[in-house]
Amino acid sequence: DAKTTQPPSMDCAEGRAANLPCNHSTISGNEYVYWYRQIHSQGPQYIIHGLKNNETNEMASLIITEDRKSSTLILPHATLRDTAVYYCIVRTINAGNNRKLIWGLGTSLAVNP
Amino acid sequence: DGGITQSPKYLFRKEGQNVTLSCEQNLNHDAMYWYRQDPGQGLRLIYYSQIVNDFQKGDIAEGYSVSREKKESFPLTVTSAQKNPTAFYLCASSPIESSYNEQFFGPGTRLTVL
Repeated sequence: DAKTTQPPSMDCAEGRAANLPCNHSTISGNEYVYWYRQIHSQGPQYIIHGLKNNETNEMASLIITEDRKSSTLILPHATLRDTAVYYCIVRTINAGNNRKLIWGLGTSLAVNP
Repeated sequence: DGGITQSPKYLFRKEGQNVTLSCEQNLNHDAMYWYRQDPGQGLRLIYYSQIVNDFQKGDIAEGYSVSREKKESFPLTVTSAQKNPTAFYLCASSPIESSYNEQFFGPGTRLTVL
């Protein structure tokens, strides 16, 4: 699985968009990009995933560059409850190997009032 | 409500004692996982199980043991052989046939060994 690089921390004003970058320059063609977040002292929560097209759901949008070497998670209107550590993970789609996600240190997002 | 439960939320034990952490899920998921998280660190995989009566070591299995006698349950025992057992322990599950790696996590158990 490819390695990801994320900034250790970011700040965002409440109500503004939060754009969280992730570099995955060694990503291979069959690897997807996943995003999870972890609010303090809770279990991580799945947010979104994508392969090469941009994706959107009720929580966030995922923008993947054309060369797939980087991506950005967008929280369109950040709230105080979005304060959390956000993890970017790349992973192959393989149900037979659905055993391990490699977790980095993530980005600690602070949403300020 | 469907989900994963872990109990207790906080656990204190004396050094040298074994302790078992509970993890139950009613999501009908085949795969279950145990992770450990230390302050300021990402999650590290301890053990995982893809089917009842079968489990595999993860990256840091030494000093831990698990069982999977029922699909719904995947208890983790922290033995006295684990050198630094104080940590936040997270259990997760996922459908084995899933085409994406969406793991559902429990609320975690914070273990402190005194």
